[in-house]
Amino acid sequence: DTAVSQTPKYLVTQMGNDKSIKCEQNLGHDTMYWYKQDSKKFLKIMFSYNNKELIINETVPNRFSPKSPDKAHLNLHINSLELGDSAVYFCASSPPGQGRAQHFGDGTRLSIL
Amino acid sequence: KNEVEQSPQNLTAQEGEFITINCSYSVGISALHWLQQHPGGGIVSLFMLSSGKKKHGRLIATINIQEKHSSLHITASHPRDSAVYICAPYGTASKLTFGTGTRLQVTL
Repeated sequence: DTAVSQTPKYLVTQMGNDKSIKCEQNLGHDTMYWYKQDSKKFLKIMFSYNNKELIINETVPNRFSPKSPDKAHLNLHINSLELGDSAVYFCASSPPGQGRAQHFGDGTRLSIL
Repeated sequence: KNEVEQSPQNLTAQEGEFITINCSYSVGISALHWLQQHPGGGIVSLFMLSSGKKKHGRLIATINIQEKHSSLHITASHPRDSAVYICAPYGTASKLTFGTGTRLQVTL
C-alpha cells in the first residue's frame, strides 16, 4: 500500500520528445509537489498544488506543465525535452496546514539521450 | 550563498559513534524537515520540528529558531544509517528550501 507512487521509475528518451510522469497519493493529503534533483543531488521545488490549484510555480520553463485532475493526482508533462532536463523528479504530498511533514515518492529518473 | 548550509558535507564514522549534522539557514521559517535519502534514491521524512527537540529511536533533532540552527544527532550509529541527510526549512508559502545534504558513511 504505497503512500505516494510515481510512474515510471525510469524514463529514457531522446531530446525533443514529450513525456509525462504520473503521481498518485492515497494519504488523503491536500497538497502535492514536484521536485527536481539534479546531478549534484541538489533538490529544488518546481510546483505545488493545493486541492487541484497551483500555489507554487518556481520559474520553471513553460515546457513543464503540471496537471492535477483531482487532489490525489499530480502529473508532470514535459514538452520538447532537453539534455538539461535529465534529473530525478520526486513527487511529494502533505496534509493541510503550515509546516506539515511531506511524504515523498520513490522518484523518476529521467535520462535524455 | 545558499540559504541553507549543512555541515559537514561528508562524514565517515565507525559503527557505534555518536554523529552530529548541523544545519544553518538564513530564511525565516515556520518549521524544518530533516530528510534521509538512501543510496537507492528514496527520500524519507525523519522529523518535522518547529521548536525544541524531537526523538525517534536513535535519532534526535533539535532546533533553535532564534539562532536559525538545527542539528540532527544519531546515537550508536550503524552501517544501515549510511545515507544522505538533508535539512529543509519551511519558508514562506509552505515552500521547502533544501540544504545540499550531508553524506554519511558508517563503517564496521
